[in-house]
Amino acid sequence: NAGVTQTPKFQVLKTGQSMTLQCAQDMNHNSMYWYRQDPGMGLRLIYYSASEGTTDKGEVPNGYNVSRLNKREFSLRLESAAPSQTSVYFCASSEGVGRTEAFFGQGTRLTVV
Amino acid sequence: AQSVTQLGSHVSVSEGALVLLRCNYSSSVPPYLFWYVQYPNQGLQLLLKYTSAATLVKGINGFEAEFKKSETSFHLTKPSAHMSDAAEYFCAINRGSSGSARQLTFGSGTQLTVLP
Repeated sequence: NAGVTQTPKFQVLKTGQSMTLQCAQDMNHNSMYWYRQDPGMGLRLIYYSASEGTTDKGEVPNGYNVSRLNKREFSLRLESAAPSQTSVYFCASSEGVGRTEAFFGQGTRLTVV
Repeated sequence: AQSVTQLGSHVSVSEGALVLLRCNYSSSVPPYLFWYVQYPNQGLQLLLKYTSAATLVKGINGFEAEFKKSETSFHLTKPSAHMSDAAEYFCAINRGSSGSARQLTFGSGTQLTVLP
């Protein structure tokens, strides 16, 4: 089983450029999440989607937008990339409310220069 | 509010030695607790979870953790380290059965090095 698949795995952007990180899950999960991981800070939630058609802000949403395209796919968009957005981004999914563990993708390493 | 504190950002052990990674939690409600492992350039993989059924929880790859309410701890152990255990380990907490994965709060991580 593929689980949670993220593309791309690596990306280098120039300041001000835009890009979209793609995520798809094949576990029929209702909820999906985008986290960023920075050294010494663990994982921080950017946005989440509790179910198809809904999205909500997490802890660090500024500079990002998301789209829950359908039950399988949840994308993260950087409209105007900044060096502070250099990070490793993880997509995750879970069954939904009351299912408290998350399943993670392999990550996207983004560098903004 | 809920939080976890991982004591020691880096831990080194010799191959065959005991692995002990420390996690203390703070929660106003009975928590669910998790340990995740992250191998280099990979995502997080669930090692084990505590959901109030049993205080001693066994996970994959020979790891286990014990929930101690009196000490507010959920330390991760493995009797004998293997080179393949070298990775970063994250403790995480949630609000128990009323929570959802969006409420997962992660610790800052502990990098485990296994020396030959």
